[in-house]
Amino acid sequence: EPEVTQTPSHQVTQMGQEVILRCVPISNHLYFYWYRQILGQKVEFLVSFYNNEISEKSEIFDDQFSVERPDGSNFTLKIRSTKLEDSAMYFCASSEGFSGYTFGSGTRLTVV
Amino acid sequence: AQSVTQPDIHITVSEGASLELRCNYSYGATPYLFWYVQSPGQGLQLLLKYFSGDTLVQGIKGFEAEFKRSQSSFNLRKPSVHWSDAAEYFCAVGAVTGGGADGLTFGKGTHLIIQP
Repeated sequence: EPEVTQTPSHQVTQMGQEVILRCVPISNHLYFYWYRQILGQKVEFLVSFYNNEISEKSEIFDDQFSVERPDGSNFTLKIRSTKLEDSAMYFCASSEGFSGYTFGSGTRLTVV
Repeated sequence: AQSVTQPDIHITVSEGASLELRCNYSYGATPYLFWYVQSPGQGLQLLLKYFSGDTLVQGIKGFEAEFKRSQSSFNLRKPSVHWSDAAEYFCAVGAVTGGGADGLTFGKGTHLIIQP
């Protein structure tokens, strides 16, 4: 069963630092996504990426966030200057459209 | 904009009993509907999904869900729960017109507790 792989599984960073979360989507998928889940809350959509550009983004995805597909396999989420409220589980997902929508296991980001 | 309501924050069921988790959605056209399960500290595992066709959808682990357009509902059912089913369950909706570019909108989740 193909998987979406996320690294690291846990990351602790100091407030104001930049952090990059990494994801390797399923190889033949065309759409890539980032979601966020603050502890105890629902999963929230951040951004979708298709054909090397952002397709959709939510109001959460402000100028502090950016995404990139630096090579043929990785998909990254960068938070430029982390805030305490950025502490959350971040999920990467990929799909072929809505068919085969698959989530990774997540990166737990803790900002101290 | 689409929205998802899971009216039950917590549900407690005895092991071996039947289960129904409720999900209501709001969307202007035919939606794509999903149920995911999340164990503590884990990622999201897809249980089942509805795109079109037969409104009764079978999923993994013995789960099924029924799409009822007239009620804007997509309730998840299982005839006999096992202790290992204890987890958080999320209903999600996606927009058909987005072709996949739109993100999924999740409900707040239902925490399922299994009593021995």
